[in-house]
Amino acid sequence: KAGVTQTPRYLIKTRGQQVTLSCSPISGHRSVSWYQQTPGQGLQFLFEYFSETQRNKGNFPGRFSGRQFSNSRSEMNVSTLELGDSALYLCASSLAEPAYNEQFFGPGTRLTVL
Amino acid sequence: KNQVEQSPQSLIILEGKNCTLQCNYTVSPFSNLRWYKQDTGRGPVSLTIMTFSENTKSNGRYTATLDADTKQSSLHITASQLSDSASYICVVFSLGSGAGSYQLTFGKGTKLSVIP
Repeated sequence: KAGVTQTPRYLIKTRGQQVTLSCSPISGHRSVSWYQQTPGQGLQFLFEYFSETQRNKGNFPGRFSGRQFSNSRSEMNVSTLELGDSALYLCASSLAEPAYNEQFFGPGTRLTVL
Repeated sequence: KNQVEQSPQSLIILEGKNCTLQCNYTVSPFSNLRWYKQDTGRGPVSLTIMTFSENTKSNGRYTATLDADTKQSSLHITASQLSDSASYICVVFSLGSGAGSYQLTFGKGTKLSVIP
């Protein structure tokens, strides 16, 4: 069974631009969560989608948004990029609620904002 | 405020030796605690998931313990191998009041280096 895939793996953008990251979960998994990882803050939870609905949300500004499609694939969008948005963005999928199910992480997308 | 503290921040051990990583948490209400291994440049991989009633759980050479009374967990690595070099992250889940609602609190991780 294929694992979680994320595209692109690397991305370079400039301040003020916007970016869209994509995540394909493991087949059959209905929950997709997004995380930001930086050396200073570590891992931080962005949001979780289940059956196309955002079910949980972390403490990030509205510039960070996401959506989930009917096939469970998910996208994350960051608008008006700032230097501090440079990070590894990780996607994780689980069969159902992450609080009760194991999460499987993708390899991440490394975003650099210049 | 929910917090997860991991120690040490970094650790260097010789191949073949054992080591123990610590995770102390002040998260309420507690649902479960997870240990992840993250190789450099890759996504985290789940090692163990422990609920309130579980004291010990093993995954190969990795053994996690949980003391819910003192709110402490440890990850013990036996007979370390070079491939164990990675960051180990402790995460605590707590359930919210709404259906499907939860909060995650992450530790900053312990960077383990295993040298020959």
